[in-house]
Amino acid sequence: DVKVTQSSRYLVKRTGEKVFLECVQDMDHENMFWYRQDPGLGLRLIYFSYDVKMKEKGDIPEGYSVSREKKERFSLILESASTNQTSMYLCASSLVSFRSQPNTGELFFGEGSRLTVL
Amino acid sequence: SQQGEEDPQALSIQEGENATMNCSYKTSINNLQWYRQNSGRGLVHLILIRSNEREKHSGRLRVTLDTSKKSSSLLITASRAADTASYFCARGSGTYKYIFGTGTRLKVLA
Repeated sequence: DVKVTQSSRYLVKRTGEKVFLECVQDMDHENMFWYRQDPGLGLRLIYFSYDVKMKEKGDIPEGYSVSREKKERFSLILESASTNQTSMYLCASSLVSFRSQPNTGELFFGEGSRLTVL
Repeated sequence: SQQGEEDPQALSIQEGENATMNCSYKTSINNLQWYRQNSGRGLVHLILIRSNEREKHSGRLRVTLDTSKKSSSLLITASRAADTASYFCARGSGTYKYIFGTGTRLKVLA
């Protein structure tokens, strides 16, 4: 079974804290994504990575950074958490190389990490 | 907005009835995908339809695509209580981005 695992289902942090959200996939997928999901706004792409150490900004990268040191692991970092970053964070991966077949891959999602910033 | 628009936002039906959800978009696509999300969980891929396809089936799911109208529909036949979830369409944008709609919340009453 394919699997995308997010390290924490629920987190509560204080304003100004540094937050790490970790995501691991066991499918040898090239592409990994971080989305946030808010009511009425759907899923919005924060960052995308198509290879180790490679990253691209999505639609809402401000206030976030990412790290991909190994193919299977993609981390989302909130350097200084703010209350407007309270959200559900979803990690996803896909196999197909976007360079050869753009957007043809199925996305595999983790269970999500619900972050509350107080 | 780049997002797709799902319609209706919410749908409540009786078990055994069919459920139809629609998705509209504004720019050209190479494929469109549908996903399901159970409450508080991650999304699960249901079906992908390519821009040169008009209809696709998977079990009780039927997806249609009308590129001239820039719309797609997802039909769930003979719905079950377990189909209660939110359903999202997602279209490819550029080379790697997927644009998700805001979803249809489906409730199937037993």
